[in-house]
Amino acid sequence: QQQVKQSPQSLIVQKGGISIINCAYENTAFDYFPWYQQFPGKGPALLIAIRPDVSEKKEGRFTISFNKSAKQFSLHIMDSQPGDSATYFCAASSADKIIFGKGTRLHILP
Amino acid sequence: GAVVSQHPSWVICKSGTSVKIECRSLDFQATTMFWYRQFPKQSLMLMATSNEGSKATYEQGVEKDKFLINHASLTLSTLTVTSAHPEDSSFYICSARDRNRPNYGYTFGSGTRLTVV
Repeated sequence: QQQVKQSPQSLIVQKGGISIINCAYENTAFDYFPWYQQFPGKGPALLIAIRPDVSEKKEGRFTISFNKSAKQFSLHIMDSQPGDSATYFCAASSADKIIFGKGTRLHILP
Repeated sequence: GAVVSQHPSWVICKSGTSVKIECRSLDFQATTMFWYRQFPKQSLMLMATSNEGSKATYEQGVEKDKFLINHASLTLSTLTVTSAHPEDSSFYICSARDRNRPNYGYTFGSGTRLTVV
């Protein structure tokens, strides 16, 4: 019930391509779904987040798609750049808890 | 935006000594702070939840006598690794949530790389 399943574990994308990372959750009590970006040796930084009352949120090249009935959400990175190479974590949170996916290591080929 | 400062960013200590890591919320008050441990190429593992003015809540398998947590104010939580051993070497990260904006996610510190030799 508390798991957040994230896939793929690693992803290689050509520069300019679209990177897609998927997550699924089980607990319907979660009401906030953030994505974090982490570079080596640094703490995770909030990238973009969505609430279950909307199906999509876009900020620049980053888009979250949210499917409440399927309990799934995904991150799309458009026009992927080498600087986007990092580990991405999805998460699901409620008032007192946040659960992270296991992460996706994204590598953008120059 | 919300900023969490974590200090030190890296530390090397000898086996048997203790190390203190600080986590400060710079521009907001945090009644709750969280401490994570991260192994290379792995996700964040929640160690404990630090509550201002009360005892921390530890996750199963985390030794509370080894990882002492103190949350003495609304802007500061500390994690002390006592009698450190090489197996305690890891990346430790704190996060905090703004008490006035509890639905806006968690802000992470920059992490502390602990190496025990």
